[in-house]
Amino acid sequence: AQSVTQLDSQVPVFEEAPVELRCNYSSSVSVYLFWYVQYPNQGLQLLLKYLSGSTLVKGINGFEAEFNKSQTSFHLRKPSVHISDTAEYFCAVSESGNAGNMLTFGGGTRLMVKP
Amino acid sequence: GAVVSQHPSWVICKSGTSVKIECRSLDFQATTMFWYRQFPKQSLMLMATSNEGSKATYEQGVEKDKFLINHASLTLSTLTVTSAHPEDSSFYICSAREPGRYGYTFGSGTRLTVV
Repeated sequence: AQSVTQLDSQVPVFEEAPVELRCNYSSSVSVYLFWYVQYPNQGLQLLLKYLSGSTLVKGINGFEAEFNKSQTSFHLRKPSVHISDTAEYFCAVSESGNAGNMLTFGGGTRLMVKP
Repeated sequence: GAVVSQHPSWVICKSGTSVKIECRSLDFQATTMFWYRQFPKQSLMLMATSNEGSKATYEQGVEKDKFLINHASLTLSTLTVTSAHPEDSSFYICSAREPGRYGYTFGSGTRLTVV
């Protein structure tokens, strides 16, 4: 079984400032890692995912994340945020190599971008 | 990319009635779909895994007789909330595994309010 911990429930930040949303996971097997964004009353949109290869993953909307196996982390970063980035962000894991395996989500981090 | 259509986007029903939520994969065949429930300001909780042509697998604590899941075709899964009560009010989201890729596409969610 795996678990995901998002260390910050809320992250306030000023517009154009950099931001990092933290995610740590626990698993006894190899995992795939995902970051999703959710706007109010909407489903989840994939920002990026790590399956294998380069540990630095670039996603949509200027976001990137780095997989750190030794620290079991997959933190999400953006060098300069916009008001429109205000949303809920979820980190998730699934067992690697298993085509039908479910996603396990972290508790979410609410990013609040202030003007 | 893969698209999952979920409807209705919101529904209000009277206590004791049943509500059906549909989740369709528009441009791919989804042998496996997942149903999640999300309470306000909380993460997604997996309710059940729906497999085409077979019975759904429910997570511990989810009443299978209350939340009926049917996955009769490769493009359609339905969740029926039977004899709904106010405590069933929540945001329900479906997800499908993208074929050939390790990713998951989410529907836009259904806001259920039971009065």
